[in-house]
Amino acid sequence: DAKTTQPTSMDCAEGRAANLPCNHSTISGNEYVYWYRQIHSQGPQYIIHGLKNNETNEMASLIITEDRKSSTLILPHATLRDTAVYYCIVRVSGSARQLTFGSGTQLTVLP
Amino acid sequence: DAGVIQSPRHEVTEMGQEVTLRCKPISGHDYLFWYRQTMMRGLELLIYFNNNVPIDDSGMPEDRFSAKMPNASFSTLKIQPSEPRDSAVYFCASSSTGPLGIEAFFGQGTRLTVV
Repeated sequence: DAKTTQPTSMDCAEGRAANLPCNHSTISGNEYVYWYRQIHSQGPQYIIHGLKNNETNEMASLIITEDRKSSTLILPHATLRDTAVYYCIVRVSGSARQLTFGSGTQLTVLP
Repeated sequence: DAGVIQSPRHEVTEMGQEVTLRCKPISGHDYLFWYRQTMMRGLELLIYFNNNVPIDDSGMPEDRFSAKMPNASFSTLKIQPSEPRDSAVYFCASSSTGPLGIEAFFGQGTRLTVV
């Protein structure tokens, strides 16, 4: 699985959009970008995933650059409950393989 | 479905004692994963099963750790004997095989403290 690079921490004002970047310059053509988050004292929670097209669901949007070497997770209207560690993971899909977690980005939503 | 269920939520034990952590995956899921999380090392995969068969146990730290999945609805992670450095939060997760590799669902974790 390709390696990812994320900022260690970010702050965002409540109600504003939170944009979390992830670099994955060694991504292969058959690798997907997955985002999970972990709220304090809870298990990781799936957010969204994509291959090359932008994706949107009820939680977030995922923007993948055309060369697929980086992506951005967007939380359109961050709330205090979105404070968590956000993990960007790149892996081959098509089978439920194990997830390899990096250190992630600590997002703090400020009131 | 109630999600992935782990028990106990908290466990405090003395060094040298046997510890057994339990996990009930989501019904119908054919993959089960055990992870360990510490401040120093983050989230580490210990072992995972497919259709109750262990596929990769390369993350199991040493022979003191063992995991079993006797049936599709139950798995255990055992540490014998336990040591203070085993103190961590242990997560169980399950997922199912699909055309796109459906996301993994995690339990709430078991916080283990070995004193």
